[in-house]
Amino acid sequence: QKEVEQNSGPLSVPEGAIASLNCTYSDRGSQSFFWYRQYSGKSPELIMSIYSNGDKEDGRFTAQLNKASQYVSLLIRDSQPSDSATYLCAVTWGGADGLTFGKGTHLIIQP
Amino acid sequence: GAGVSQSPSNKVTEKGKDVELRCDPISGHTALYWYRQSLGQGLEFLIYFQGNSAPDKSGLPSDRFSAERTGGSVSTLTIQRTQQEDSAVYLCASSDRDSLHEQYFGPGTRLTVT
Repeated sequence: QKEVEQNSGPLSVPEGAIASLNCTYSDRGSQSFFWYRQYSGKSPELIMSIYSNGDKEDGRFTAQLNKASQYVSLLIRDSQPSDSATYLCAVTWGGADGLTFGKGTHLIIQP
Repeated sequence: GAGVSQSPSNKVTEKGKDVELRCDPISGHTALYWYRQSLGQGLEFLIYFQGNSAPDKSGLPSDRFSAERTGGSVSTLTIQRTQQEDSAVYLCASSDRDSLHEQYFGPGTRLTVT
């Protein structure tokens, strides 16, 4: 049974600070890791993908992967109120395969 | 370019009726996925297509659910004899090998079974 665990939150962060979102997964065979952002009433939007151990940066977002610890994280620098959303961690074996999602962390950026 | 499109955006149906949900993937994407998101629940993977083939149908919740894809493009998810527990948002995504199978989601179909 593949499982992805996230703290449901809410995680409250002041505007301009760094938001840190964490995710652990159970299947050591997982190869591809994704972070999606989902606003209330909307569909998930892909914001980061990561496949190798280490950090991957894209603008204000940094994804971090540690396969030995089965741990993925997402850092959001200079948090903005528009970053307030639910962040979903998703993993897969790789290639074309269904994603296993965590239940998401609800992030609130306080102005 | 155009993203994934789904229709209808909302569907209200009576218990016991059949429904068909449609997904039109991003042009050129070879893989297509169906997920379900119930109120308060996480995203649940249902089935995926590589071309017109579905290698694994074990994620479908029951034999009332079926899906097909024709011409390597549009897919339909059919739910027969709908039940109230089928009420959810049904999401479709597509991906392409060239982008390492990053999945892009459509807007979803909200299904309400009364």
